[in-house]
Amino acid sequence: GAVVSQHPSRVICKSGTSVKIECRSLDFQATTMFWYRQFPKQSLMLMATSNEGSKATYEQGVEKDKFLINHASLTLSTLTVTSAHPEDSSFYICSARISSGNTIYFGEGSWLTVV
Amino acid sequence: GQQLNQSPQSMFIQEGEDVSMNCTSSSIFNTWLWYKQDPGEGPVLLIALYKAGELTSNGRLTAQFGITRKDSFLNISASIPSDVGIYFCAGTVAGGTSYGKLTFGQGTILTVHP
Repeated sequence: GAVVSQHPSRVICKSGTSVKIECRSLDFQATTMFWYRQFPKQSLMLMATSNEGSKATYEQGVEKDKFLINHASLTLSTLTVTSAHPEDSSFYICSARISSGNTIYFGEGSWLTVV
Repeated sequence: GQQLNQSPQSMFIQEGEDVSMNCTSSSIFNTWLWYKQDPGEGPVLLIALYKAGELTSNGRLTAQFGITRKDSFLNISASIPSDVGIYFCAGTVAGGTSYGKLTFGQGTILTVHP
């Protein structure tokens, strides 16, 4: 079946540095991908909608200059957390909507720890 | 924005028992989804509901899309230890290219005692 892969699955970075997380659709094209953040013992919160070839759409309260999203191809979206701080430590999950329909697939998630 | 209220927050049951959880919304959704999430992993889709009143089963799982389009429930029959995890409802009102922007409930933590 369709698979969405995230990389890295776990990353530790120093405060003030930037870290990039990739979201790939492995066997289908995804015009639209979505980025969610999930803090421990909480639900998933939508951060932004990533559209191939255009600017991402951010949810209210999400800083677009801090969370840079690039969707350069139909199979890859990247989330870059810039100038990371400990409060950015979280589980980041992407989902991809198959271009030919309305089916949504989630990635395995990426744990970010900022020290 | 939309809010989903999911209940109960947690359940502790014995193996073999049936489980029921539900979600209510402050506004109408046109799609309801139920996911299961294991620790440290992404959510896995269990059941998708697309029409008001729709009742759909997936093995021991049954879910319904409320007629008012503001609620949904998930039932698990004859629970087994591997049912342990966090269950989330999710809904979307967006259509077209925005389909997939999901609002999630707070989750129900299910513990099954052997």
